[in-house]
Amino acid sequence: KQEVTQIPAALSVPEGENLVLNCSFTDSAIYNLQWFRQDPGKGLTSLLLIQSSQREQTSGRLNASLDKSSGRSTLYIAASQPGDSATYLCAVIITDKLIFGTGTRLQVFP
Amino acid sequence: DAGITQSPRHKVTETGTPVTLRCHQTENHRYMYWYRQDPGHGLRLIHYSYGVKDTDKGEVSDGYSVSRSKTEDFLLTLESATSSQTSVYFCAISGAVDTEAFFGQGTRLTVV
Repeated sequence: KQEVTQIPAALSVPEGENLVLNCSFTDSAIYNLQWFRQDPGKGLTSLLLIQSSQREQTSGRLNASLDKSSGRSTLYIAASQPGDSATYLCAVIITDKLIFGTGTRLQVFP
Repeated sequence: DAGITQSPRHKVTETGTPVTLRCHQTENHRYMYWYRQDPGHGLRLIHYSYGVKDTDKGEVSDGYSVSRSKTEDFLLTLESATSSQTSVYFCAISGAVDTEAFFGQGTRLTVV
């Protein structure tokens, strides 16, 4: 059974810091990995999709890497801002299923 | 934004009553998913569909059934609602197994 773990569960940082969120998965036979953001009481917003043949993807201040062999992905957020405060979720697709980690709750304070 | 609409957005129902939640998409995507989100458990897959009339179970399918009679609609039914089914339900869509998934805004269901 695929298990997806996210560390840390919560993170509080001052504005301007660069930070790294971690995602690990037990089965490396994934099609792709996707990072999402969820604001309180809202749905999930897709941030980045990394396909299994790729090593990383970038979008603005976000950079996500994927190492299938070690079962790890990281989401790097540069120059964090208060508006980045949210829960960040990673999800892997294996066969037809999208399996989620439990998320990292990020707070960026001014 | 991807064209996904969940209805209703909020519902309160009594134990033992049937409830149907609807997910409607305008993207003509093949895959549709139903998840529930609960504190301490994250997002858990209930059922999913890989085409019209093609569905399969996820990890928490007991007490739930689904139907997909046309590409754009995926229905989740609680045959006899229980308090343990109080949750926020999310629908997601994707075009293929290796493409981006998009989520609806969620349905908050309370079973009293």
